[in-house]
Amino acid sequence: SQKIEQNSEALNIQEGKTATLTCNYTNYSPAYLQWYRQDPGRGPVFLLLIRENEKEKRKERLKVTFDTTLKQSLFHITASQPADSATYLCALTDKLIFGTGTRLQVFP
Amino acid sequence: DAGITQSPRHKVTETGTPVTLRCHQTENHRYMYWYRQDPGHGLRLIHYSYGVKDTDKGEVSDGYSVSRSKTEDFLLTLESATSSQTSVYFCAISDTDRATNQPQHFGDGTRLSIL
Repeated sequence: SQKIEQNSEALNIQEGKTATLTCNYTNYSPAYLQWYRQDPGRGPVFLLLIRENEKEKRKERLKVTFDTTLKQSLFHITASQPADSATYLCALTDKLIFGTGTRLQVFP
Repeated sequence: DAGITQSPRHKVTETGTPVTLRCHQTENHRYMYWYRQDPGHGLRLIHYSYGVKDTDKGEVSDGYSVSRSKTEDFLLTLESATSSQTSVYFCAISDTDRATNQPQHFGDGTRLSIL
């Protein structure tokens, strides 16, 4: 069955640094992958979508890469801020599969 | 924010009782979804709907039923709640089929505790 893996350990970084989160998937070759942000007590909020032929997608301080050979997507937040602290989920929404999410904590 | 309202937001009930959760949308989106979110499992699809009276099962549908009599409302029912159904339940909507890769918009969840 299809599976998505995200690092379950929290990522703690200092303000101003670049945060990099990883999403690995198995047994599937998605045409695209989505990233969501989830704050405590709230539902996930869509951030970015990347297609298999795009390799890289940017939106303001966010960057997503997609390596279909490695079956991996990387999610980068540059110049991170404490307000970026949240849990970030990757998803294969054509299969309606979400990862467990990685919690990011940005310290001042 | 997409107009999605889940009710109730919190509920505590006892094992064996029936429970109905409601998702109401004001976006007129065709597709609606129910997920549960548990530590270590992430979001898992319970049921989804692709139109009024059209529903299908997801990954973890056992013990749950759904109904959609109007575009704006999608109900999730636990016929006889069990402690394993203690979870946070999220409703989501999308205006096109998942194959077109459009994002889903989520409500803020219902925290359900079954004692």
